[in-house]
Amino acid sequence: KAGVTQTPRYLIKTRGQQVTLSCSPISGHRSVSWYQQTPGQGLQFLFEYFSETQRNKGNFPGRFSGRQFSNSRSEMNVSTLELGDSALYLCASSSGGSSYNEQFFGPGTRLTVL
Amino acid sequence: AQSVTQPDIHITVSEGASLELRCNYSYGATPYLFWYVQSPGQGLQLLLKYFSGDTLVQGIKGFEAEFKRSQSSFNLRKPSVHWSDAAEYFCAVGGGATNKLIFGTGTLLAVQP
Repeated sequence: KAGVTQTPRYLIKTRGQQVTLSCSPISGHRSVSWYQQTPGQGLQFLFEYFSETQRNKGNFPGRFSGRQFSNSRSEMNVSTLELGDSALYLCASSSGGSSYNEQFFGPGTRLTVL
Repeated sequence: AQSVTQPDIHITVSEGASLELRCNYSYGATPYLFWYVQSPGQGLQLLLKYFSGDTLVQGIKGFEAEFKRSQSSFNLRKPSVHWSDAAEYFCAVGGGATNKLIFGTGTLLAVQP
């Protein structure tokens, strides 16, 4: 079974631009969560999507948004990039449902904002 | 407030020595507890998890962890460390109807030959 796939793996953008990151979950998984990892703030939860609906949201500004498609693939978008958005963005997939399910993490997308 | 504390930012052990990484949590409901490992440039790999039942849980790569409710702790242990264990280790807590995880700040493990 293929693991969680994230594309692209590396990305360089300049301040003010926007960026879209993609996550393909494990086949059959319906939940996708996104995390931001920085040296200063550590791993922080961005949001979770389940069956195309946002189920939970972290404490990030509205510049951070996401969506999930009918095939469970998910994208996250960051608009008006700031230097502080430079981070490793991790996505995690799980089977979802009404109770906690084990999450499997992808390798991440390394975003650098210049 | 929900939080996870890993008091040790950096630990160095000799190969073959025992290891214990500390984790304390604060969580309002029954916690689900996890230890993840991250190698440079990689994502997170689950080492072990505790949902309920036996408070001593076994994981992959010879790791184990003990849940102590009275101390709000979930410390990770390994009896004999290998050079390949050098990585960053994260403790996390979750629960309820969502998959949101709250992570500690991580402990970077270095292994001396």
